[in-house]
Amino acid sequence: DAKTTQPTSMDCAEGRAANLPCNHSTISGNEYVYWYRQIHSQGPQYIIHGLKNNETNEMASLIITEDRKSSTLILPHATLRDTAVYYCIVRAPRNNDMRFGAGTRLTVKP
Amino acid sequence: GAVVSQHPSRVICKSGTSVKIECRSLDFQATTMFWYRQFPKQSLMLMATSNEGSKATYEQGVEKDKFLINHASLTLSTLTVTSAHPEDSSFYICSAHPPQGVDTEAFFGQGTRLTVV
Repeated sequence: DAKTTQPTSMDCAEGRAANLPCNHSTISGNEYVYWYRQIHSQGPQYIIHGLKNNETNEMASLIITEDRKSSTLILPHATLRDTAVYYCIVRAPRNNDMRFGAGTRLTVKP
Repeated sequence: GAVVSQHPSRVICKSGTSVKIECRSLDFQATTMFWYRQFPKQSLMLMATSNEGSKATYEQGVEKDKFLINHASLTLSTLTVTSAHPEDSSFYICSAHPPQGVDTEAFFGQGTRLTVV
């Protein structure tokens, strides 16, 4: 699976959009981009995933660049409860394991 | 969404004893489950892949005789930390995928915090 690079930390004001970038320049054509988050002392929580089209669900939006070498997770209206470590993971279909990088520590401030 | 449950959520044990952690998929069958370990302020590290009906496969550097994995049914995998030592104190997390589709997401348990004293 391709390697990902994320900023170590980011801050966001409560109520504003949080935009979390991820670089995956070595991604292969069949690899999906997954986003998870981990709130302190809990298991990771699935957020969203995509292949090449932009995706949106009740939690977030995922924007994947046309060349698929990077993506951005958007939390449209961040709340204090969105403070967590966000992980971007690239995984090929049928590869069941998820391998985590360092992630981005997002802090939402009042 | 699908649910993966771990038990116990927290355990304290004495050095030299063994501890068993259970991971259950509550509403789907999982032929494969995964075990991770997470030290403070670090990311999750994959330890091993648990395979129903066959031996687990371990990541490089993980001692298979110390971390015993049993996947006796399609909904239960167990991780036993044998002869635990203080350096085994960590947050242990399991995950599983529902079988349908090629891009199904993984669901994670809530984690087990092990403290060896």
